[in-house]
Amino acid sequence: DVVMSQTPLSLPVTLGQPASISCRSSQSLLHIDGNTYLSWLQQRPGQPPRLLIFNVSRRFSGVPDRFSASGAGTDFTLKISRVEAEDVGIYYCMQATRLPFTFGPGTKVDIK
Amino acid sequence: EVQVVQSGAEVKKPGESLRISCRTSGYRFDTYWIGWVRQTPGIGLEWMAIVYPGDSDTRYNPSFQGQVTVSADKSVSSAYLQWNSLQASDTAIYYCARCSGHSSGCHYFDYWGQGVLVTVSS
Repeated sequence: DVVMSQTPLSLPVTLGQPASISCRSSQSLLHIDGNTYLSWLQQRPGQPPRLLIFNVSRRFSGVPDRFSASGAGTDFTLKISRVEAEDVGIYYCMQATRLPFTFGPGTKVDIK
Repeated sequence: EVQVVQSGAEVKKPGESLRISCRTSGYRFDTYWIGWVRQTPGIGLEWMAIVYPGDSDTRYNPSFQGQVTVSADKSVSSAYLQWNSLQASDTAIYYCARCSGHSSGCHYFDYWGQGVLVTVSS
């Protein structure tokens, strides 16, 4: 299985300041079709996960543009340009290049 | 508008069977995969399986193969996750989600249900 890791696991942030989360996979996520199937999900307290980013860097419909992502191969990053109160929650990366799909352990973002 | 609505919370005893459902609307059900994800406090999110309603094709995580069955019914735009014999370790929140991707593939979960808490206790 592809093992997904994330750093940090806990990220206290100041409102209005940037935040960055790293995700690393144990194998390249480049699919034979040329795409890289790495997505980012946000889970607010008491809510189901919500898709933020798919295919490494494509923002899903309705996601604010303060969220951006990048990466390739085995190293990926999610950035929040200016953290808002509603961004509190747990952020997961997920790979869907190889079966079984796997998730990272999650990064808990809260306000300092 | 795409909507994914799951059935309600369940409390079961070990050894009992269970089927939970995932009803969708707002898109053509038989042209997208539907996936199931388990969430537990200790392990986090785990992908369990996906089903393609168009032809009932399925893919399972080996960790869940033989433990659960996924299915779909096009006539009611619903997918199902079923256990024949629950164990205490099945206590978790179960999410279904529509899976989208390149050429009708499954590469990201874009619309999620609200989750079903399944509690298995004697």
